[in-house]
Amino acid sequence: SAVISQKPSRDICQRGTSLTIQCQVDSQVTMMFWYRQQPGQSLTLIATANQGSEATYESGFVIDKFPISRPNLTFSTLTVSNMSPEDSSIYLCSVEGGTSGNPLGETQYFGPGTRLLVL
Amino acid sequence: AQSVAQPEDQVNVAEGNPLTVKCTYSVSGNPYLFWYVQYPNRGLQFLLKYITGDNLVKGSYGFEAEFNKSQTSFHLKKPSALVSDSALYFCAVYTGGFKTIFGAGTRLFVKA
Repeated sequence: SAVISQKPSRDICQRGTSLTIQCQVDSQVTMMFWYRQQPGQSLTLIATANQGSEATYESGFVIDKFPISRPNLTFSTLTVSNMSPEDSSIYLCSVEGGTSGNPLGETQYFGPGTRLLVL
Repeated sequence: AQSVAQPEDQVNVAEGNPLTVKCTYSVSGNPYLFWYVQYPNRGLQFLLKYITGDNLVKGSYGFEAEFNKSQTSFHLKKPSALVSDSALYFCAVYTGGFKTIFGAGTRLFVKA
């Protein structure tokens, strides 16, 4: 299994500002995922980040609002830009735990999440 | 459309009693099914998964799940619930293309 850390663990931000969330993994991984979990709801995939290429965004999420960096195989950042109260959520970083190189049906491992409150 | 459903928002059970958290799915092809648990103020933790083979899958913390192809279900079970099992449980299905869909979640309350 992979051990994942996220910074910050929580933050309170003013609307119109931006926050960058860091995700660090203890091993090299190909795919990293960013999810949003709004209060009392399920996880929604924001984007998938491969090292060395542009992130792939899901419907309803755009790069200008959620820019992602993936500079190496153990690290990624998600920025929540021009925040509004609707962005208040838990943001989760995730990786697939497979070592075979075949991601089909692999278990996902999650960071502890970043709790964001936008006022 | 591929989807996963958890029909119960909340399940209440007394400590020591068996528990079941329900999940049904709709996917094309063979399903890859997962259960995750989220304790308060923590990220999701993997419990168990079904890829192929025996329909009864055993996982962490004494949990097990039964894959039923005819009913397209993957219910999570535990013979004897503990208060510490109280958490939010998510069923998930791998849909291909490196994507996993998560159910809405079921909150389990175990009363002492």
